[in-house]
Amino acid sequence: DAGVTQSPTHLIKTRGQQVTLRCSPISGHKSVSWYQQVLGQGPQFIFQYYEKEERGRGNFPDRFSARQFPNYSSELNVNALLLGDSALYLCASSLGGTGNYGYTFGSGTRLTVV
Amino acid sequence: DAKTTQPPSMDCAEGRAANLPCNHSTISGNEYVYWYRQIHSQGPQYIIHGLKNNETNEMASLIITEDRKSSTLILPHATLRDTAVYYCIVRVPGTASKLTFGTGTRLQVTL
Repeated sequence: DAGVTQSPTHLIKTRGQQVTLRCSPISGHKSVSWYQQVLGQGPQFIFQYYEKEERGRGNFPDRFSARQFPNYSSELNVNALLLGDSALYLCASSLGGTGNYGYTFGSGTRLTVV
Repeated sequence: DAKTTQPPSMDCAEGRAANLPCNHSTISGNEYVYWYRQIHSQGPQYIIHGLKNNETNEMASLIITEDRKSSTLILPHATLRDTAVYYCIVRVPGTASKLTFGTGTRLQVTL
């Protein structure tokens, strides 16, 4: 079975531009979460979606938005990019719901803002 | 979610057991302890989790103290491929709560 798939793997954008990152969860997983990891730090939670609804939001500005599609894939959008948005963006999928489910992470999208 | 404290770095000789400690003195009764690791440039990988009993799987063992204020992840026979950053996380499962990563412990396995 395929794991969590993220695209693109690498991306270079200019300040002020917009970017869309994509994530395909493991088949059967209904929950997708997004994390930002800047160099030298642990991943920081951005969003969680379950059954196409937002279930959690981290402390990120409104420039960050996301959505989940009927096939449970997800997109993370970042508008008006800043140099500080340069980071590894990680997607994690899980079965979701009320059980004690683990998270499986993708390999991430490395975004560089210049 | 309770805060965790881990040493920033540790070394271990290949073939020896690696014992990674984690302090979570403010853990509440319904919070589980999870361990993830992140090998350079990859996404975090789930290792093991537990509530109050010791747990073992094919990757590692988790020892949780009786008062649940600390735990130790044990890699019984460390290899070079175990070199990674190890994160200890406590959370209530089955909610929309996030995984709160600290800075973790950078384990360096050497020959």
